This record gives sequence, C-alpha cells and structure tokens, in this order.
Amino acid sequence: AQTVTQSQPEMSVQEAETVTLSCTYDTSENNYYLFWYKQPPSRQMILVIRQEAYKQQNATENRFSVNFQKAAKSFSLKISDSQLGDTAMYFCAFMKHAQGAQKLVFGQGTRLTINP
Amino acid sequence: NAGVTQTPKFRVLKTGQSMTLLCAQDMNHEYMYWYRQDPGMGLRLIHYSVGEGTTAKGEVPDGYNVSRLKKQNFLLGLESAAPSQTSVYFCASSRGDRGYTGYTFGSGTRLTVV
Repeated sequence: AQTVTQSQPEMSVQEAETVTLSCTYDTSENNYYLFWYKQPPSRQMILVIRQEAYKQQNATENRFSVNFQKAAKSFSLKISDSQLGDTAMYFCAFMKHAQGAQKLVFGQGTRLTINP
Repeated sequence: NAGVTQTPKFRVLKTGQSMTLLCAQDMNHEYMYWYRQDPGMGLRLIHYSVGEGTTAKGEVPDGYNVSRLKKQNFLLGLESAAPSQTSVYFCASSRGDRGYTGYTFGSGTRLTVV
C-alpha cells in the first residue's frame, strides 16, 4: 500500500519569504501522480499543483513549484514571495496511474502560517 | 455550475443515532468518493464508487454504508453513530476516463457525535 508522509506539522514564515514544505512517499509503482492541495479556513480543498511521475521536469504554477526526486521518493513544495492568503493547511497526495478508481492517498498535512 | 454539493454542512448527533450524508454532483462524473478528515491524519478514503450501482470499500469503511442508486448522488450512512465518527466528511467526484482526470471536492460536512 502507498503511504505519504509530511514530517512538518506546522510552519510559520514572514510575508514575502520563501518556504518549502516536505513530502515523502512510499510506493512500488512506476507510473503515478503527485499533488499538493491547499485547504484554507473555508475548508475547501484547492488543487495547487500536480506532477506526473514520468515527467522529469518539475511542475510550476506561478509562485508555486515542486522539487520532485523520484529515486528518493520526495516531493517538496516551494512557495516563493509568500502572501497572507497562502495561510492554510497543505496536503501532499499520491495517486496510482492506472485504470479503475482514482483513489488519492493523503499525507497528514502541514499547517502553514504567513505572518505580516 | 454547482459542482459537488454536500448536505448538511453541519450536524450534531447523539451516540447511537443514525443519519445520511448526501453528495450530489452535476458534472456527469462516473467516480465518486467519501473521505473523512481528522487532525494529524489527513484525509482517508471511506468508500468509493466507479459507477451507478457500484460501491467499494476504502481505507476506513467500518461503521459506514454507502449507496449510489443514481449516477449523480452518493450517499454515506451512519447506522449507529459513535464519538469516533466525529470528523469532517468530504465528498469528491472525478470523470473516470483513462488516466487522471481531476477531482472536484465538495465543501465538507462537519459532524459531531456526542
């Protein structure tokens, strides 16, 4: 079974700083997807970024980028020029690339606070 | 464009009571899921469905039942609520094509069992 581990329960940085959230996973699969979801106080789950394992290039979305190290099974999220609106819970998640149910496996989450 | 709608948004139950959480999607998605979110544990899959009339167990199915009689609806039932079922419940759906097609999440239901 796949597992996802986020070793940082909480993080706090000043506005405009850069912050990196860690995620490691365990799988024997070769093809899969990795995701970062953001959950603000509204509780809504918002997709931040996704990475397909067969793509070597790291995914980027504006201020958000990932460092995907397939051999090390590591998938960290970097937030540049952090903003107050980035304050949220962040979840790393894994999905097998296969037919059938597209089940997400989530990490425990990291609570990120951006301070003014 | 409602997406995925969960009802109710909040509920307080007494131990032993039963209730049903309703999830409705208007995107004609094939796959639907129920997750629960607990502090320090992320989201865990309770049950899922890959089409109308089908259901399957996820990671934490005990104490829950589900039904998918109509493609657009996925019901989660608690027959005899326990305090351990206090949680935030999320429904999600996905198109179900070959490969990843993306999740749409509902806004969650906060359930407290006293």
